Amino acid sequence: DQQVKQNSPSLSVQEGRISILNCDYTNSMFDYFLWYKKYPAEGPTFLISISSIKDKNEDGRFTVFLNKSAKHLSLHIVPSQPGDSAVYFCAASATGTYKYIFGTGTRLKVLA
Amino acid sequence: DAGVIQSPRHEVTEMGQEVTLRCKPISGHNSLFWYRQTMMRGLELLIYFNNNVPIDDSGMPEDRFSAKMPNASFSTLKIQPSEPRDSAVYFCASKRGANTGELFFGEGSRLTVL
Repeated sequence: DQQVKQNSPSLSVQEGRISILNCDYTNSMFDYFLWYKKYPAEGPTFLISISSIKDKNEDGRFTVFLNKSAKHLSLHIVPSQPGDSAVYFCAASATGTYKYIFGTGTRLKVLA
Repeated sequence: DAGVIQSPRHEVTEMGQEVTLRCKPISGHNSLFWYRQTMMRGLELLIYFNNNVPIDDSGMPEDRFSAKMPNASFSTLKIQPSEPRDSAVYFCASKRGANTGELFFGEGSRLTVL
């Protein structure tokens, strides 16, 4: 039972264009969401998070959007750079719990 | 500051052998997690410790898996006996506090069981 779903296993984008990575969740108790980036042979590293009291959070080239009614979040990377090529995981958590439930990841390839 | 340290980085073993993976969390972090990464299921949570106490091990696949945290700076994940389907990358992660906040991951231990 996958509570956090990333339905696109891979995505290719041209350098300089926008990358949009999507994530859906099923548990309405989730109220904190994170995105992690993972390079080969390294551990995932934190990228950006958003609380359910917001619908948008921005950090430089990275913006996360949250649509609570649709149980959907997305990560926008503008402009995309070759160094952004990595696997991106979304994760969700509920207040009062400790569990971070991760999706299966989306492999982003930014073409130079 | 040193990050989460895992060892070994790579382990190749034969079916039936015992495997022990080790983790040193970031100093001052009191929550520790073991995750397993596979292509099909992404990052699965195996077990969670808070203040060295196992809180939830419902993600541990079966009795062949066990985890301990004897003190705040060390944890082990043991598989005995190992099977080929255990082949995966195992990550340890830690964070400060019990609720929300950033999880810091180690570089992972890639296990191959032949």
